[in-house]
Amino acid sequence: NAGVMQNPRHLVRRRGQEARLRCSPMKGHSHVYWYRQLPEEGLKFMVYLQKENIIDESGMPKERFSAEFPKEGPSILRIQQVVRGDSAAYFCASSRGRGHQETQYFGPGTRLLVL
Amino acid sequence: GDSVTQMEGPVTLSEEAFLTINCTYTATGYPSLFWYVQYPGEGLQLLLKATKADDKGSNKGFEATYRKETTSFHLEKGSVQVSDSAVYFCAPRGYSTLTFGKGTMLLVSP
Repeated sequence: NAGVMQNPRHLVRRRGQEARLRCSPMKGHSHVYWYRQLPEEGLKFMVYLQKENIIDESGMPKERFSAEFPKEGPSILRIQQVVRGDSAAYFCASSRGRGHQETQYFGPGTRLLVL
Repeated sequence: GDSVTQMEGPVTLSEEAFLTINCTYTATGYPSLFWYVQYPGEGLQLLLKATKADDKGSNKGFEATYRKETTSFHLEKGSVQVSDSAVYFCAPRGYSTLTFGKGTMLLVSP
């Protein structure tokens, strides 16, 4: 009964490169959420997706960041032309359904370091 | 928007001491309330939750009661262990997302 899986666990990129972060939700879960954790900070919501649809992207930076959750395969968070300020831990969570009572289960995170 | 205020850490306790971590929140509507725990280098693990007023969530000796009138969800444990050392996050959940504060680090010494 695998939990939420994320890969890679660690990612190093130079400024200007692209970063692709992957998230496979728990079995039976069709709702995916991405959060970012800066050093010494709590998690900040970025985007909420359901299969093939973006439901809420109010936390996504307007430029360079995009997310998708295709019909088949994992959810992808893509960061283009990375800058040092993008260095953070990126966590994915999934839930079975929608609504405030649904529990979100978190993956182990991808730690992105931009040199 | 929604917000969370947690007590500043680190909270330093001796093993078997009583723990309280305060949490108050502001939220639109009627959120569910969650406590998550994060061990070093890991993701967040669900500790407990409550979905309506006066509900008590509990797990592994930890408890928290949903107090709607004071918009609080304080975490308590009667006797902490060294293995409880971690960062604890209180988070209300609205329709879409969880809102996190900065978390409270707990350090338990033998």
